[in-house]
Amino acid sequence: QKEVEQDPGPLSVPEGAIVSLNCTYSNSAFQYFMWYRQYSRKGPELLMYTYSSGNKEDGRFTAQVDKSSKYISLFIRDSQPSDSATYLCAMSGPGGGNKLTFGTGTQLKVEL
Amino acid sequence: SQTIHQWPATLVQPVGSPLSLECTVEGTSNPNLYWYRQAAGRGLQLLFYSVGIGQISSEVPQNLSASRPQDRQFILSSKKLLLSDSGFYLCAGADRTEAFFGQGTRLTVV
Repeated sequence: QKEVEQDPGPLSVPEGAIVSLNCTYSNSAFQYFMWYRQYSRKGPELLMYTYSSGNKEDGRFTAQVDKSSKYISLFIRDSQPSDSATYLCAMSGPGGGNKLTFGTGTQLKVEL
Repeated sequence: SQTIHQWPATLVQPVGSPLSLECTVEGTSNPNLYWYRQAAGRGLQLLFYSVGIGQISSEVPQNLSASRPQDRQFILSSKKLLLSDSGFYLCAGADRTEAFFGQGTRLTVV
């Protein structure tokens, strides 16, 4: 079993839709949770970072962490074509930046 | 925040040739540094990470090696490339808990 599971997609939605991206994990020691966005042939860029359980909102993006279920989500409201990219979840243990573990990424396409 | 410089952006190398990819970091001191390889549909595979000068941890046995000769410099090397070394290589630096990535090097071994 992989430590982090993420549906690879592709996920196709119409412009303006609410998008839900999810990851599950098996290691209960993970405490730091991140979402990265990666455009084709580019390096990933950090979108959201949360510590432990709870929600965090930044503009159209909301990250949720449910440690009891070992489940994290990223919601994108009013999705735009420019949101089309691969979204990777990542997490790490008590040491923080050491040995980030990534999901495989979900490819999202927002269509006009 | 950190800036990760990674070069070259693309590289085509023959089988059996050596490899040297360089990564430098700006905006922080004593960062944790990482080399990842990304294959389609397989996400990011951690190859090496370093918590300080000369300190390298290898995650997977392979044809590659890494070195950290300076605090903000991380080098990925190979003495003889294999076809299976083709892929997208990413350098990352972590400051506390967040990791920042370079733009990647697409390596094709022919």
